[in-house]
Amino acid sequence: ENVLTQSPGTLSLSPGERATLSCRASQGVSSSYLAWYQQKPGQAPRLLIYGASSRATGIPDRFSGSGSGTDFTLTISRLEPEDFAVYYCQQYGSSPFTFGPGTKVDIK
Amino acid sequence: EVQLVQSGAEVKKPGESLKISCQGSGFSFTSYWVGWVRQMPGKGLEWMGIIYPGDSDTRYSPSFQGQVTISADKSISTAHLQWSSLKASDTAMYYCARHKGFGDGYAPFDLWGRGTLVTVSS
Repeated sequence: ENVLTQSPGTLSLSPGERATLSCRASQGVSSSYLAWYQQKPGQAPRLLIYGASSRATGIPDRFSGSGSGTDFTLTISRLEPEDFAVYYCQQYGSSPFTFGPGTKVDIK
Repeated sequence: EVQLVQSGAEVKKPGESLKISCQGSGFSFTSYWVGWVRQMPGKGLEWMGIIYPGDSDTRYSPSFQGQVTISADKSISTAHLQWSSLKASDTAMYYCARHKGFGDGYAPFDLWGRGTLVTVSS
């Protein structure tokens, strides 16, 4: 099983600041099959990024993804008030398609 | 409208059985992999498994293999998650979600249901 770790656990930032979230896999992720999701309280997760760097439909361009192999990054260039949430990475290159434990981005 | 509609919240006692559902509409349900994700109270997301309704090909996480059964009834565009004997530790929100990409078994989830809250308590 490919275990994902995310850092930091919590990121405290102000609106307008840049957020950099990390996801590390215990094994290489096949074909960069790495996704990022956003989840707000009481809501289902929402797909942000797939294939490590492709934005899903309707996702603003302030969200970007990068990385390959075992190290991946989600960057939010300028935090908007609606971006404060929990972010999960997921690898879907090998079953089981595991999720990371999440990074909470909260308001400083 | 393209959507997944999940069945309502359930309250059960330990040892009882349960089957929850997820009905797809607005897309070809038999042509997309559909999966289940567990979220225990205050915790993260856990991938449970996926099914291809077209032929019922199913993959389970080892953590959930033997603990739950994933099935699909393509005649009513519905996937199911069931337990034969619930435990208190099964208390969680369960989301169904569809794979992005027609017939793609290696894909992220791009369409999610609202979740079914299952509470198991004596």
